Amino acid sequence: DVKVTQSSRYLVKRTGEKVFLECVQDMDHENMFWYRQDPGLGLRLIYFSYDVKMKEKGDIPEGYSVSREKKERFSLILESASTNQTSMYLCASSLGFRGNQPQHFGDGTRLSIL
Amino acid sequence: KQEVTQIPAALSVPEGENLVLNCSFTDSAIYNLQWFRQDPGKGLTSLLLIQSSQREQTSGRLNASLDKSSGRSTLYIAASQPGDSATYLCAVPRSGGSYIPTFGRGTSLIVHP
Repeated sequence: DVKVTQSSRYLVKRTGEKVFLECVQDMDHENMFWYRQDPGLGLRLIYFSYDVKMKEKGDIPEGYSVSREKKERFSLILESASTNQTSMYLCASSLGFRGNQPQHFGDGTRLSIL
Repeated sequence: KQEVTQIPAALSVPEGENLVLNCSFTDSAIYNLQWFRQDPGKGLTSLLLIQSSQREQTSGRLNASLDKSSGRSTLYIAASQPGDSATYLCAVPRSGGSYIPTFGRGTSLIVHP
């Protein structure tokens, strides 16, 4: 069965800290995604990757970076955390590039920046 | 730019009712449409994926239909139960054959005993 694992369910950090969110998938999927979800704003795409070491900006990349050194792992980095980055972060993966494959999500990380 | 609208935004019904959730999208050149369920504080769980060549998909009490020409999909839930309470989201590719989805804001469903 498909499995996307996010390293933490809940995380509390302080303003200015460098924060790492990790995501691992076990399905050999090419594509991996990071979203944030906020009440009233829905799901917003931060970054995505279609291959190892490849990354593309999504709709709201400011203040974030990503790393994909191995196919199964996609990390989201908050370079200097700020309170407006308090949110639910969701990782997803999908197979192939033809747009006919489903997305599979992890359980999410609820991040609070104090 | 693909836009996805879900109506209603919220729904509260008594147990046992049959429900219809609606999803509309602006760019009909899509490969597929996916319906998800999200429980509070959790990630998204895939319910149904309808390919563009299909008109509907069924899983248990759930039935999803797709009408590409009109840019609409419906999720039908038969004999609703309190355990169906969740937010339901639909997603379609951003454009053409893109593998990057656009999500609707979801329909928040409460089924009360």
